[in-house]
Amino acid sequence: AQKVTQAQTEISVVEKEDVTLDCVYETRDTTYYLFWYKQPPSGELVFLIRRNSFDEQNEISGRYSWNFQKSTSSFNFTITASQVVDSAVYFCALSEAPTNDYKLSFGAGTTVTVRA
Amino acid sequence: EAQVTQNPRYLITVTGKKLTVTCSQNMNHEYMSWYRQDPGLGLRQIYYSMNVEVTDKGDVPEGYKVSRKEKRNFPLILESPSPNQTSLYFCASSLSHPWSDSGELFFGEGSRLTVL
Repeated sequence: AQKVTQAQTEISVVEKEDVTLDCVYETRDTTYYLFWYKQPPSGELVFLIRRNSFDEQNEISGRYSWNFQKSTSSFNFTITASQVVDSAVYFCALSEAPTNDYKLSFGAGTTVTVRA
Repeated sequence: EAQVTQNPRYLITVTGKKLTVTCSQNMNHEYMSWYRQDPGLGLRQIYYSMNVEVTDKGDVPEGYKVSRKEKRNFPLILESPSPNQTSLYFCASSLSHPWSDSGELFFGEGSRLTVL
């Protein structure tokens, strides 16, 4: 069963619009880590953020922000005032307790296209 | 420059012909991992290694082997490749496991493998 679900396959926006990427995860552990990675058209994977399950504070980094809600098992990512350079595939990932041997499970990814 | 280097970047081979994709990192990282990326499935973990001589299966290890004889190298071996192993492969490393303070994964540029 998929542990990380990114229901949005593709999102297309016009520059300067805000875009929110959904990530829903599934775990029985109380301790886990969540991640977001970006894969631009050039293909490399870039780390964006890591959040542990005990820290539900929202995080903001420039135009990027993350909303972590344990009650709904979601870790959503918002890009504010999107730019063409934000066009990429974005992956959410989950790493469960050490009892699961530090495996890292990725979602299927959401392709974001920002049009000028 | 700190990097994860994969070779080859592109390879076309035939069913049953053994091949090895090399991965090398120059950051003295303990944790290394292999993923395959397929459309609609995101990245799936094949094998990972917590340190030299310590390797564990990920979610899709069938048909693959790995070894970790040296800290910097983590080759992926396909003993008898089949067409369903056609994919984009990524090697990644981090200073320690994803749960540590330095759990950020650094990815290689990817190796696109086609098995005919």
